Amino acid sequence: QSVLTQPPSASGTPGQRVTISCSGGTSNIGTNTVNWYQQLPGTAPKLLIHSDNQRPSGVPDRFSGSKSGTSASLAISGLQSEDEANFFCAAWDDSVNAWVFGGGTKLTVL
Amino acid sequence: QVQLVQSGAEVKKPGASVKVSCEASGYTFTSYDINWVRQAAGQGHEWMGWMNPSSGNTAYAQKFQGRVTMTRDTSRSTAYMELRSLTSEDTAVYFCVRADHCIGPSCSPDNWFDPWGQGTLVTVSS
Repeated sequence: QSVLTQPPSASGTPGQRVTISCSGGTSNIGTNTVNWYQQLPGTAPKLLIHSDNQRPSGVPDRFSGSKSGTSASLAISGLQSEDEANFFCAAWDDSVNAWVFGGGTKLTVL
Repeated sequence: QVQLVQSGAEVKKPGASVKVSCEASGYTFTSYDINWVRQAAGQGHEWMGWMNPSSGNTAYAQKFQGRVTMTRDTSRSTAYMELRSLTSEDTAVYFCVRADHCIGPSCSPDNWFDPWGQGTLVTVSS
């Protein structure tokens, strides 16, 4: 069971906007920044959003992150077929001095 | 470009040990920590620990303490993760990832993993 809670699946049609949630607690998301990663099948994860809402260079501005209290969200606008992937969140947890992860959300573009 | 390249897949018997390497390029190896994260098939990601290549200091997740050792060879810009007393539950893809240095026991409040190595599949089977 993952420390951070994500919905197991999400879906949308091309062009739509989809949001993926990540719920934690005061010792992780409530205190430290949240990062989001995209993992295509059979490949290594790629950093998508860091520091709650910062996009690394090269990441399209269709991807955005936000955080409120002990929950964070990843939004993908203008959905494209190549966005089909597993998305997961991560944060440092001060109570266990460890990185903790969400279980991942498999995004399907219908 | 910044890159982490890991060693190839391994098949081990229960009770054995495995040592995975991670060669860094495109940046100063000692300026960032190397963390290890694993992912079993169909499961979420699990953090194993970090190592500071400059000092050799390490911190391991409680679950792996006593069974994992993270080391480095700065002359080769390579980090290593050795896991002992393997069981079938250790069958997973193991990733090395780069992050900013941890300070004391804390690796935040603002830190992230980038890039990730390509992953090394370790299969434990009799």
